Amino acid sequence: NAGVTQTPKFQVLKTGQSMTLQCAQDMNHNSMYWYRQDPGMGLRLIYYSASEGTTDKGEVPNGYNVSRLNKREFSLRLESAAPSQTSVYFCASSEWWGFFPYGYTFGSGTRLTVV
Amino acid sequence: AQTVTQSQPEMSVQEAETVTLSCTYDTSENNYYLFWYKQPPSRQMILVIRQEAYKQQNATENRFSVNFQKAAKSFSLKISDSQLGDTAMYFCAFQEAGNNRKLIWGLGTSLAVNP
Repeated sequence: NAGVTQTPKFQVLKTGQSMTLQCAQDMNHNSMYWYRQDPGMGLRLIYYSASEGTTDKGEVPNGYNVSRLNKREFSLRLESAAPSQTSVYFCASSEWWGFFPYGYTFGSGTRLTVV
Repeated sequence: AQTVTQSQPEMSVQEAETVTLSCTYDTSENNYYLFWYKQPPSRQMILVIRQEAYKQQNATENRFSVNFQKAAKSFSLKISDSQLGDTAMYFCAFQEAGNNRKLIWGLGTSLAVNP
């Protein structure tokens, strides 16, 4: 099925460990996003990539890095995990028709626990 | 800066009844888009409905409709004939027109549909 695929779905890390969350979309969208979702805080943008070859910081980029590997793939890396990074992470992609947004398509999320 | 406010953190409704979720936003822009997303317990984010600010007609998708009041900057979601499967978090989101504008999210309303 067409959509956004995130891996893994669940992960437990020890403080200081590193990991990469993978995201791929097969809808030929130009823009991709990484969000984190915490109780009572809604969705907060970590990083985004407006198009292949570009990445920009969102609201909460500290402690994260991203790579837009190609048009399909956008990965999120935690270099040294901290308990404050315990969250649910979502990848999303979107497309524009000229100036008109179609809306975001989301992956199913990764529940990350840092102990 | 644009903001989106959902003033009802939690709501409940009886199956088959109608419920309205509120959303207000703040912007100085004239051209923009508004969205409602649903997040069921599976945590998958799903686009429910989309409204273009330049359209006076309220958007409708089956049992879901919106009441868009541009002057009041209000964008409420009405769910008719509520079903158990409508139990979810509902997020209101705003996006300026123009290329590469990002979504601004509300904090969500948790809706419980009771049998």
